Amino acid sequence: AQSVTQPDIHITVSEGASLELRCNYSYGATPYLFWYVQSPGQGLQLLLKYFSGDTLVQGIKGFEAEFKRSQSSFNLRKPSVHWSDAAEYFCAGNLYNQGGKLIFGQGTELSVKP
Amino acid sequence: DTAVSQTPKYLVTQMGNDKSIKCEQNLGHDTMYWYKQDSKKFLKIMFSYNNKELIINETVPNRFSPKSPDKAHLNLHINSLELGDSAVYFCASSSAGAHTGELFFGEGSRLTVL
Repeated sequence: AQSVTQPDIHITVSEGASLELRCNYSYGATPYLFWYVQSPGQGLQLLLKYFSGDTLVQGIKGFEAEFKRSQSSFNLRKPSVHWSDAAEYFCAGNLYNQGGKLIFGQGTELSVKP
Repeated sequence: DTAVSQTPKYLVTQMGNDKSIKCEQNLGHDTMYWYKQDSKKFLKIMFSYNNKELIINETVPNRFSPKSPDKAHLNLHINSLELGDSAVYFCASSSAGAHTGELFFGEGSRLTVL
């Protein structure tokens, strides 16, 4: 069965520290992969996406993610976290013929300490 | 201008009632979706419409009936509400093309069934 897994439910980092949020996928073929961010009381906003090609993708707000086929992973990173980055982060995937039917991970809640 | 707008933002109602949530997008997209986010923040697709035609219909009770009067609107009607229907319902839209999965979400409608 197709699935996306985010092993960490909650992560706390200090402001200015680096961040890595983990995401693993299980699909029969290489999926399209996405990271979305949800601020409290808000909808989801797309941070970045991977379709093919360069395995390191850059997104908005200083985020990047690296696709690693051998590890079935698509981890999100940021070199220096700001207090405004505190939010829920969702990894999601779909196949080319599934349209907008995204399979989401469980989400990782990021807290930022001053 | 809000790209994807949903009304109402909050909805509190009694079991057995019927309620509707409306969604409108001004992005010119052809495809619209309803996603459900449960109390554990898990997101799952419910329906998808492309240019007023139903294209994705996940295993959703038939008490839920989407309606798309035109490609800019997708409403969700729920009959005989149950406690388990309490959730946040997100409307989203995307443009047609191979790289769907880049969704634009509304802010969500929080439904509480008492």
